[in-house]
Amino acid sequence: DGGITQSPKYLFRKEGQNVTLSCEQNLNHDAMYWYRQDPGQGLRLIYYSQIVNDFQKGDIAEGYSVSREKKESFPLTVTSAQKNPTAFYLCASSIGDGVLGPQHFGDGTRLSIL
Amino acid sequence: RKEVEQDPGPFNVPEGATVAFNCTYSNSASQSFFWYRQDCRKEPKLLMSVYSSGNEDGRFTAQLNRASQYISLLIRDSKLSDSATYLCVVERMEYGNKLVFGAGTILRVKS
Repeated sequence: DGGITQSPKYLFRKEGQNVTLSCEQNLNHDAMYWYRQDPGQGLRLIYYSQIVNDFQKGDIAEGYSVSREKKESFPLTVTSAQKNPTAFYLCASSIGDGVLGPQHFGDGTRLSIL
Repeated sequence: RKEVEQDPGPFNVPEGATVAFNCTYSNSASQSFFWYRQDCRKEPKLLMSVYSSGNEDGRFTAQLNRASQYISLLIRDSKLSDSATYLCVVERMEYGNKLVFGAGTILRVKS
């Protein structure tokens, strides 16, 4: 079955530590996205990528970094510069290439501070 | 002002009731519109796209009014399983198709 896989499901970060969240898709989608969701708030876009080796900052990119070395993979690193990292992180993908349409989500990673 | 605004609710309704959610968006450049459903502590899932002519999918009807920048979702004959948060989402064609999410409306259907 095609889909988006995020791992781990739960992650704990120590002070000063960088952590990386994995996102893999086998939908052959060009576009991939990372969102953050805080309680009672809508999803906010962190980074997005339309093609391999290219990505753009979203609305709240500070303290995060990404890479897009393969079409299938879009890992997100939460750096120590992100002072309030506790949130639900969602990865999504869409056909991209100028095609409007819905995004499909992975089942998320919950990040907490130890 | 938020780009996409929804009444947070919660809407508490009995089984079998009809309930309507509204959503307004501020950016007239928005091109596509969706309703997503999100269950507690789960990822959002696409419920339906919203078209200017209005569209229906079983018990769910979505309407778009571009002039008023207003989107609605009507749920008829509510089921217990409809209990969830409903997210209004608009899409703009900037670099890539950027989705902007409302904060969601909570629906609780009770027996």
